[in-house]
This record gives sequence, C-alpha cells and structure tokens, in this order.
Amino acid sequence: EPEVTQTPSHQVTQMGQEVILRCVPISNHLYFYWYRQILGQKVEFLVSFYNNEISEKSEIFDDQFSVERPDGSNFTLKIRSTKLEDSAMYFCASIMTDSDTEAFFGQGTRLTVV
Amino acid sequence: AQSVTQLGSHVSVSEGALVLLRCNYSSSVPPYLFWYVQYPNQGLQLLLKYTSAATLVKGINGFEAEFKKSETSFHLTKPSAHMSDAAEYFCAVSESTASKLTFGTGTRLQVTL
Repeated sequence: EPEVTQTPSHQVTQMGQEVILRCVPISNHLYFYWYRQILGQKVEFLVSFYNNEISEKSEIFDDQFSVERPDGSNFTLKIRSTKLEDSAMYFCASIMTDSDTEAFFGQGTRLTVV
Repeated sequence: AQSVTQLGSHVSVSEGALVLLRCNYSSSVPPYLFWYVQYPNQGLQLLLKYTSAATLVKGINGFEAEFKKSETSFHLTKPSAHMSDAAEYFCAVSESTASKLTFGTGTRLQVTL
C-alpha cells in the first residue's frame, strides 16, 4: 500500500542550527502539507504546497521556515536558526487530487532542539 | 474560520463498554469532518470521514460517527471497546477538498480490564 515516508524519524539539533526534514509523498499525489504537534498539544497546520508553490500558510510559518520540492519525489521543510520551541513532531501529508479530501500522513519526524 | 472542540481530554472505559468521543465543530461552509487515531509514537491514521453523503459514517476497527448539523457535532462511537483501541483520537475539519485540516486538541482513550 502506498505511503508517505518521512526521514529521519528523530533528529536532535542544537539551538541556532538549520534542519531539513524530508518527506516522500505518495507518488501520484499533487497536494502536500506540513503539520506539527508540540508534545501534548494538538496537531497544527503549517503550510500547504501545490504546483511548486505555497498555496496557504499559517501564522506559525514565518520566515524561519521554508518548503521545497527539489525533485519529483521529495518534499522538504527547512527550519533555519532553530529555537527550543521548535521541538515538536512534524508530520508530512499528501492528498491526491483537488476533488479528494483524505490526507495521508507520514509517521512523523520528532525534532528535538537542545 | 473553522474550529473543532473535543470535550474530554481523557476518556476511560472498560473493555467491552461503549466508547463515545465527542467532537463539535464550527465552520462557515458545509464541512468535511474526520476522525484520526494516533497510536503511541506513530503517525495519524484515518478512522473515518464525512463528506456530505450519508450522515452515519462507518470506519475502520468498528468505529462510526454521526454528523448532526443541528448540533454541529460529529461524535465517534464504538459499541464495544477493545484493549487495542487505547490511543489518542483527533477530530478534524476542513472546508473544502484538498484543503488544510484543523484539528481538535485530541482525546486520549484508555481501555481497562
């Protein structure tokens, strides 16, 4: 069964460093998303991406964050100058077409900023 | 703007008992509604979804939910809890196809012997 794949599963980084979280969405999906879940809190939308550009972003997604689809398969989230409060589980999701509602989620990357 | 309220951050039931997890939503347009389950240290798995077809929706693992527009609710139920149902459950809403999800704060379901 096709699935969304995220790497790494856990990343530890020092405050101030840059991290790149990687996702491989399901191959025929067109809409891509990043969400985050701070420990013990709800899942929050960060950004959506379609046709090689951001289609929507939340207030959380400021200049510290960027997304990219560098090739035909990967979808990355870059966090510059990480802060302690960036520690969270980051989920990638994809939806197949504009008439679909079901988002398929990856297993997540746990980011720990120390 | 859309929002979801899940009443009860923790719910404990005995094995074999009815499971009822509450979800109320707010949406300016007819919503799409979802229940996701998250097992420890895992990602989000779709249990079921409402997309304006039948108001009673059946999902995986014996769960179902009923959309009640008059009550703006989408409560999740299962007639008989199993130990393997212990997990975190999230209700979510979206306002259109291929759009972002807005999640509730989640309900942790504990199943006891």
